[in-house]
Amino acid sequence: GAGVSQSPSNKVTEKGKDVELRCDPISGHTALYWYRQSLGQGLEFLIYFQGNSAPDKSGLPSDRFSAERTGGSVSTLTIQRTQQEDSAVYLCASSLVGIQYFGPGTRLLVL
Amino acid sequence: EDQVTQSPEALRLQEGESSSLNCSYTVSGLRGLFWYRQDPGKGPEFLFTLYSAGEEKEKERLKATLTKKESFLHITAPKPEDSATYLCAVSLDTGRRALTFGSGTRLQVQP
Repeated sequence: GAGVSQSPSNKVTEKGKDVELRCDPISGHTALYWYRQSLGQGLEFLIYFQGNSAPDKSGLPSDRFSAERTGGSVSTLTIQRTQQEDSAVYLCASSLVGIQYFGPGTRLLVL
Repeated sequence: EDQVTQSPEALRLQEGESSSLNCSYTVSGLRGLFWYRQDPGKGPEFLFTLYSAGEEKEKERLKATLTKKESFLHITAPKPEDSATYLCAVSLDTGRRALTFGSGTRLQVQP
């Protein structure tokens, strides 16, 4: 079956621009997660959606980061006024019970 | 503070040379421990989940074990296609569903 998909696969932007990253979870998965993987560092949790509950935003590094999940399915992570330190791989994962399945990631480069 | 530490950072093996990767954790309450494999340019791929001390899981040349303080990923007679970064992650019993990751072990298996 189809796995988690993310788009775009690569994004190059200029400092100060806004970017939107998209995640399509596995069909039927109620939980959706965003993580960030910086060069040489482990995966860092950003935000978590579970069904219709309020999202857990405790991992968002600043108010420039936001995310939404529409219709309990597709999610969009938005980074406003991008900075060079935002350059990283942004990974999305979805789960039904326990195990998180990851997408291929979006590689973001801020020049 | 919850912490996950993986060692070694990098490991180079000859084909057929068995070894073990370590994941030690210091957490307030463990709900589950997860092993993932990550190939360059791809998202993490789920391997195993362990929930209680003494539990073991096997898949082909890989075997994961869990104690109250650490987990081991044993690789028996590895092949070059086992080369990847192996990530360990924990979920906590605090109700927070996000995973806390270690920084990974980069494994290279030479023919």
